[in-house]
Amino acid sequence: SAVISQKPSRDICQRGTSLTIQCQVDSQVTMMFWYRQQPGQSLTLIATANQGSEATYESGFVIDKFPISRPNLTFSTLTVSNMSPEDSSIYLCSVVPTGRETGELFFGEGSRLTVL
Amino acid sequence: GENVEQHPSTLSVQEGDSAVIKCTYSDSASNYFPWYKQELGKRPQLIIDIRSNVGEKKDQRIAVTLNKTAKHFSLHITETQPEDSAVYFCAAVRYSTLTFGKGTMLLVSP
Repeated sequence: SAVISQKPSRDICQRGTSLTIQCQVDSQVTMMFWYRQQPGQSLTLIATANQGSEATYESGFVIDKFPISRPNLTFSTLTVSNMSPEDSSIYLCSVVPTGRETGELFFGEGSRLTVL
Repeated sequence: GENVEQHPSTLSVQEGDSAVIKCTYSDSASNYFPWYKQELGKRPQLIIDIRSNVGEKKDQRIAVTLNKTAKHFSLHITETQPEDSAVYFCAAVRYSTLTFGKGTMLLVSP
């Protein structure tokens, strides 16, 4: 398994500002992802965080709005830029521990953002 | 891409009853099917999974079945307990891409 620390756990933000969420894993992992979970909804993949290269974004998500860094195999950040109330959501970091199936995701606790 | 449909969206049962959640997928290339449980305010956690070369898998009170021909898979929980109350998500994996269903809120009444 993997222990994933995410921060902040929650924040209240003003419209137009940006917030960076950090994800730290206790072991090196190849596959790291960022998900969004809007209230009462399922999990939507934002992007795959690639170590040493640009993240791979899913349809509907762009780098200018959700820049991602992955400087090494244990750490990643997601920035939510120029926030609007529609960005109010839970953002989850997830990893697939080395040797596990692609779908065996382990999630961080999530970062609950409220944009006023 | 893959499309995963999950039913029902909510399910209410009495403690001790069985609960069944069903999912269908669209792409026959999907070959791995995990199930996640998310308690209120908590992170999703993997509870059971099944690979496409297996028809059924059990782990104590939970079991998952897979029908590749019909492209559907189901989660079965027997002897439900109040602590089983949560949102359950099915998922399908094809070519290293995971697609979640929309989730089922299971409520177990004492």
